[in-house]
Amino acid sequence: NAGVTQTPKFQVLKTGQSMTLQCAQDMNHNSMYWYRQDPGMGLRLIYYSASEGTTDKGEVPNGYNVSRLNKREFSLRLESAAPSQTSVYFCASSEKYEQYFGPGTRLTVT
Amino acid sequence: AQSVTQPDIHITVSEGASLELRCNYSYGATPYLFWYVQSPGQGLQLLLKYFSGDTLVQGIKGFEAEFKRSQSSFNLRKPSVHWSDAAEYFCAVGSGGSYIPTFGRGTSLIVHP
Repeated sequence: NAGVTQTPKFQVLKTGQSMTLQCAQDMNHNSMYWYRQDPGMGLRLIYYSASEGTTDKGEVPNGYNVSRLNKREFSLRLESAAPSQTSVYFCASSEKYEQYFGPGTRLTVT
Repeated sequence: AQSVTQPDIHITVSEGASLELRCNYSYGATPYLFWYVQSPGQGLQLLLKYFSGDTLVQGIKGFEAEFKRSQSSFNLRKPSVHWSDAAEYFCAVGSGGSYIPTFGRGTSLIVHP
């Protein structure tokens, strides 16, 4: 099992560009999450999906959209990137309380 | 609302010394508690968890944590630290009503040879 995979690993965008971060899990988990990690801020929840077909906002959803494509895949889209979105993005999945994390995407917006 | 405090931003220990990382939570009922570890450039990995029962829980890599309800704490311990334990450690709390945990801001562990 690969667990949780994320693509790409690194990305540099110019302000105003758009991109989609991809996440997939092979553990048949119902719930999936997107976090951002910034120095000294810990992990902040952007969006989550409790089950296929549902998505909900987390703590910091502004500037992002998500799609739960199917049970395996949960993508995060930046429509118009801003320097404030420079961060490391983590996808996670869970069946109940324990979360399993992907390796992260390091995004820089210039 | 639940919350988690990790009072120490950085902890420095010598290799072979004992370690205790502090975690305090705020939650009305019995919480679900977790410790995760993040090695440089990687995602978070679950070290251990507490749901109920024995308040001293064992995890991977020789770590343990003790749930103390009276102190609202769930401190992580290791009797002898190895250089490979240098990483960021996150405490998290969840509740029965939601599968979404609240994470602390993390403690960075530095290990000196």
